Amino acid sequence: QTVVTQEPSLSVSPGGTVTLTCGLSSGSVSISYHVSWYQQIPGQAPRTLIYNTNIRSSGVPDRFSGSILENKAALTITGAQAADESDYYCVVYMGNAIWVFGGGTKLTVL
Amino acid sequence: QVQLQESGPGLVKPSETLSLTCSVSGSSISNYYWNWIRQPPGKGLEWIGYAYSSGGTTSYNPSLKSRVTISVDTSKNQFSLKVNSVTAADTAVYYCARDGPGSWDLLGYWGQGTLVTVSS
Repeated sequence: QTVVTQEPSLSVSPGGTVTLTCGLSSGSVSISYHVSWYQQIPGQAPRTLIYNTNIRSSGVPDRFSGSILENKAALTITGAQAADESDYYCVVYMGNAIWVFGGGTKLTVL
Repeated sequence: QVQLQESGPGLVKPSETLSLTCSVSGSSISNYYWNWIRQPPGKGLEWIGYAYSSGGTTSYNPSLKSRVTISVDTSKNQFSLKVNSVTAADTAVYYCARDGPGSWDLLGYWGQGTLVTVSS
């Protein structure tokens, strides 16, 4: 069974740029996988940042962007803020009406 | 605005059935994908599955498919989750979620989550 991979942890300086990735243990991610990205503050429900690879959800700041980079889905945060310190998850459409979450990335802003 | 609220027992005994309901307000139950997701304490998210309100279509995580049922009750504007033969590994915060508003936006609206503990 294909596993969705994410960096377990990343760090970024305030005002800096960081890219989180979402890949597959076997194969490449493309727009056909309709990747979504979620931000989860501990103790809270996740909220959608990006869906269908690169569409920003309503109310999400434009410092968050989604793309495909080198066979992986990517979430880029430009001009990181302290409030961006959270857990981030991607979910991937695997076909046959099946969706799979990545293991999540813990982002530290310091 | 769309609001979802999970409800159900917070404690379930091993080998019994976990049953949760998600009450929906601000949205018709029709023509949407109604999802359940769970998160064990300190761990990541796991998609359990969904039911589509029209036509009775369902889809489940293959690792849970043999034990899970998701159904929609249009008369009550709510949907439910049943997990059979639970073990301690089923202890988690359970979230309900609806798709939209965009296309391929699987989990655009989330409930606040409810913790279910499996223990004797």
